[in-house]
Amino acid sequence: TQLLEQSPQFLSIQEGENLTVYCNSSSVFSSLQWYRQEPGEGPVLLVTVVTGGEVKKLKRLTFQFGDARKDSSLHITAAQPGDTGLYLCAGLQGANSKLTFGKGITLSVRP
Amino acid sequence: DTGVSQNPRHKITKRGQNVTFRCDPISEHNRLYWYRQTLGQGPEFLTYFQNEAQLEKSRLLSDRFSAERPKGSFSTLEIQRTEQGDSAMYLCASSLALGQTRNEQFFGPGTRLTVL
Repeated sequence: TQLLEQSPQFLSIQEGENLTVYCNSSSVFSSLQWYRQEPGEGPVLLVTVVTGGEVKKLKRLTFQFGDARKDSSLHITAAQPGDTGLYLCAGLQGANSKLTFGKGITLSVRP
Repeated sequence: DTGVSQNPRHKITKRGQNVTFRCDPISEHNRLYWYRQTLGQGPEFLTYFQNEAQLEKSRLLSDRFSAERPKGSFSTLEIQRTEQGDSAMYLCASSLALGQTRNEQFFGPGTRLTVL
C-alpha cells in the first residue's frame, strides 16, 4: 500500500487549460513537498507546505496543504507546454528525516 | 552552479561487477541522502548522513550496498556484485536541517545504472 496516493496518474491536456491534481494519505505529515521531474533528471523542488490549510503560489501554480495535514493539491492555471513533466509529492513524518514519495503524476501539455 | 552534483551520470556494467557513485552536496548542507528510483515509481529512501555519521538505513539497502561520507562533505555509494534488479536511477539529495519540520531536500541529476 502506497503511503501517498497521487491522482490522476496520467493527464494530457491542451495548452491554456486549467487542472488540479491531488496527493492523498491517511497519515499526517509534518510537511509536504512538491517536486517536478523531467526524464533523465533529478526532481526539482517547487514548494514546501508546513501548516494545515496553507496555500502557496508559484506563478501559475497554486499549492494547498489540507487542514489535517494529510493531503495536498496542486492547481495549474493556463497550462503551458513547459509545465510538462512528472509531478511528485513527498512528505516528512514526525521526527523522520527521510522523504516518502508518491508515484507521481505524468502531465503532458499539448501546444 | 552550486547545486548537488553526481558522477557519473550514466553507468553500464555487467552483472557481478562492483560500481561506485559519487555525490557532492550543496556546500553548507549538513545532511546527505541517497534514494533509488525505478521506472514508474517515486524515489525510495536508501540511507542518510548527518555530517559524517550514517543515521538511518532502509531495508532496501542490502549488504551488497555500502555508503560513506568520510569527511562530512561528499559521499560515495558502492554496490558490490551487481544484479539486474539493481538497475535504477540513484539520486542524491542534501539539506540544511535546522529542525525537523521543513528539511527541504535538493536533489542532484542522478546516476542511471544499467546492469546487463
